[in-house]
Amino acid sequence: SQTIHQWPATLVQPVGSPLSLECTVEGTSNPNLYWYRQAAGRGLQLLFYSVGIGQISSEVPQNLSASRPQDRQFILSSKKLLLSDSGFYLCAWSASLGFFYGYTFGSGTRLTVV
Amino acid sequence: QKEVEQNSGPLSVPEGAIASLNCTYSDRVSQSFFWYRQYSGKSPELIMSIYSNGDKEDGRFTAQLNKASQYVSLLIRDSQPSDSATYLCAVSDSNYQLIWGAGTKLIIKP
Repeated sequence: SQTIHQWPATLVQPVGSPLSLECTVEGTSNPNLYWYRQAAGRGLQLLFYSVGIGQISSEVPQNLSASRPQDRQFILSSKKLLLSDSGFYLCAWSASLGFFYGYTFGSGTRLTVV
Repeated sequence: QKEVEQNSGPLSVPEGAIASLNCTYSDRVSQSFFWYRQYSGKSPELIMSIYSNGDKEDGRFTAQLNKASQYVSLLIRDSQPSDSATYLCAVSDSNYQLIWGAGTKLIIKP
């Protein structure tokens, strides 16, 4: 069966510090991968999605970037965090072939920038 | 712009009653429809999917789809306090990317 791992679960970082969040998927090949952010009490905001290694689409211009160095690994990064980067970051995957069953989310990372 | 709309709530329902959650969408070519449940501080969890007009039942949950009216709903029978959560409606576009509603907060009163 497929599983998605996301870490760390919580993170407190000072303004101006770098960020690296990692997400890996097991049990499937060539998944579509997504990074979302959810501000407190708000809906899901799509940040990046990837349909293959090295293929990243950005939905929102910001100081965040994403990379997909391996088929089942998706990384969210920032060189310098802003206070407005605080939020709940969610990685998700979906199948790229066959029937579409929707997205499966990781457990999320709660980021607080101080 | 493709949109999915939900009443933000909160929707307060007595324990044991039926909770009815509604969602409308703008993209007529949408083919896949999903309901996710999100507990406070947790990630969204898929609870129902529906792909054709009509009703789909799974335990206490029933999803209803009306493509002509561009309307999808979720019914929760015999509501329990553990059903208290935010329910997100998601609709696929032609590229199988999900468009999300903002969610409805459901509160089940014991």
